[in-house]
Amino acid sequence: AQSVTQLDSQVPVFEEAPVELRCNYSSSVSVYLFWYVQYPNQGLQLLLKYLSGSTLVESINGFEAEFNKSQTSFHLRKPSVHISDTAEYFCAVSVPRDSNYQLIWGAGTKLIIKP
Amino acid sequence: EADIYQTPRYLVIGTGKKITLECSQTMGHDKMYWYQQDPGMELHLIHYSYGVNSTEKGDLSSESTVSRIRTEHFPLTLESARPSHTSQYLCASIPTGQLNTEAFFGQGTRLTVV
Repeated sequence: AQSVTQLDSQVPVFEEAPVELRCNYSSSVSVYLFWYVQYPNQGLQLLLKYLSGSTLVESINGFEAEFNKSQTSFHLRKPSVHISDTAEYFCAVSVPRDSNYQLIWGAGTKLIIKP
Repeated sequence: EADIYQTPRYLVIGTGKKITLECSQTMGHDKMYWYQQDPGMELHLIHYSYGVNSTEKGDLSSESTVSRIRTEHFPLTLESARPSHTSQYLCASIPTGQLNTEAFFGQGTRLTVV
């Protein structure tokens, strides 16, 4: 069965420091990969996605993620975080199901920025 | 910015009451979903729909029901609310087309049953 594992439930980091949020998935078929962000009291928003092509994908606010097929990982990174990055980050994979695609979600990682 | 709306944002209600959580999207998406979100847990799919008059139960068993009479509207109903139903409920939609699987989310309804 497909699953997504986010290894850290919380990641505290100082402002302007680099951060990596880890995501591993298990699937026997090709998948599409996503990172979503949820700011306090908001719904989820797409941060970035990997569908095909270059394994390194970037968001408009400085995050990047690299698809590593051999390690079945899609870790999210940012070289320098800001207080506004405080949020919960969810990794998801899209897998085939019933002639459609279904999203499988990780449990989320709370990014806590320390001033 | 996604045009998907959930009402109410917050709801506190007594045990045994019937409630309907509203979800509407103006993007013409065929696929719509209801998720239950609890702290520290992954999003659990409780219902989904691939179009009008199509509804399916998700992976997480739920006592709620849904309907899809119009493309833009996907309400979720609890006939008799219980404290165990306390949670955040997220509605999402996905555009038609298998490769474009980005989900658009509403802001959620935080339900508290007392």
